[in-house]
Amino acid sequence: LAKTTQPISMDSYEGQEVNITCSHNNIATNDYITWYQQFPSQGPRFIIQGYKTKVTNEVASLFIPADRKSSTLSLPRVSLSDTAVYYCLVGEGADSGYSTLTFGKGTMLLVSP
Amino acid sequence: SQTIHQWPATLVQPVGSPLSLECTVEGTSNPNLYWYRQAAGRGLQLLFYSVGIGQISSEVPQNLSASRPQDRQFILSSKKLLLSDSGFYLCAWSRVTNVLTFGAGSRLTVL
Repeated sequence: LAKTTQPISMDSYEGQEVNITCSHNNIATNDYITWYQQFPSQGPRFIIQGYKTKVTNEVASLFIPADRKSSTLSLPRVSLSDTAVYYCLVGEGADSGYSTLTFGKGTMLLVSP
Repeated sequence: SQTIHQWPATLVQPVGSPLSLECTVEGTSNPNLYWYRQAAGRGLQLLFYSVGIGQISSEVPQNLSASRPQDRQFILSSKKLLLSDSGFYLCAWSRVTNVLTFGAGSRLTVL
């Protein structure tokens, strides 16, 4: 499984765009990149998943360069409610059927007024 | 739509007592089911996963066990709890893809 490295914490203010970068130098050819969000005392929630280039949904964008050795989760105009831990996971393809991924410590994003 | 139920939400147990946490999924069939544990200030650790009835894979050796008696039911058990078993236990499911949907979690405190 590809190892990921992401910042332990980040600070931002309401209304700003936040970019959280994850490094995964040994990503495999069939690996997908998945991001989750976790609030205190809750289970993680799927945010976005991608393989290459750019993926966008109603919540976030995911930018993946051509070499796929890193990825950036972009949260537009964050609010206080975006304060949470964000996890980057790299592993089995989207059609692998099941997951054995282990979540690391993630990035604690603190949004201030 | 699919929903996942997990109970109890909180549990305080003495050392050496048994444990049973239950998880059920509605609105889907033959889901992949998972048990994770999150210790205070740490990431989520995959404990068990199951791809079908009676099929359990363990990721971490410990005094916990899991069972899947029905297609959409996943149970986490222990015969004798240790202090180190304290934590936040999360059940999750996936279907076809590796995108996980988590339950609300069960917070276990072992005293």
